[in-house]
Amino acid sequence: NAGVMQNPRHLVRRRGQEARLRCSPMKGHSHVYWYRQLPEEGLKFMVYLQKENIIDESGMPKERFSAEFPKEGPSILRIQQVVRGDSAAYFCASFRDRGSLTTEAFFGQGTRLTVV
Amino acid sequence: DAKTTQPPSMDCAEGRAANLPCNHSTISGNEYVYWYRQIHSQGPQYIIHGLKNNETNEMASLIITEDRKSSTLILPHATLRDTAVYYCIELIPSLILTGGGNKLTFGTGTQLKVEL
Repeated sequence: NAGVMQNPRHLVRRRGQEARLRCSPMKGHSHVYWYRQLPEEGLKFMVYLQKENIIDESGMPKERFSAEFPKEGPSILRIQQVVRGDSAAYFCASFRDRGSLTTEAFFGQGTRLTVV
Repeated sequence: DAKTTQPPSMDCAEGRAANLPCNHSTISGNEYVYWYRQIHSQGPQYIIHGLKNNETNEMASLIITEDRKSSTLILPHATLRDTAVYYCIELIPSLILTGGGNKLTFGTGTQLKVEL
């Protein structure tokens, strides 16, 4: 059972370009979180998605950032008109609603975005 | 913001037990204690979780005090590869919440350094 797959692992964008980060959850998982980690800082929650639904986007910047998790295909985190401050590691985690009281989330290896 | 408090750093000799404490004095009755770790530049890794009973798995043991206001993660025989930042997180599993969904809120964690 493959783990959470994120691609690309490294992404370089010039200021003003768009960045698209992909996350394929583990098989059978229909819930995805996105987190951002700025250099030398902790992990900050961005958004929580179910298939075709945004459950909690309280951590998403109000502008330029969007996320989706379509019925088919990976979850996408999209950053428009990137700025240098967007340079960070972006992690995706997935978990499965198994009908039990406890669940654990599994993280991917992240996408490291560098804006030049 | 994270509601748990952990020491910022700890050292441990290889082969000895590493005991990582966590205070969660405001934990509510339906919140579990989850532990994750992040090895440098990698995605966070799930370790263990528990509600009120002590738990053990192949990676670690979790000791939760009777009043549930604190817990200790024990790595019984620490190795150099256990050097990482360890996070203690309070979490209500998704199914308990009305409307579903909850998020892992990472604090600053404990930087564990395992040395020869």
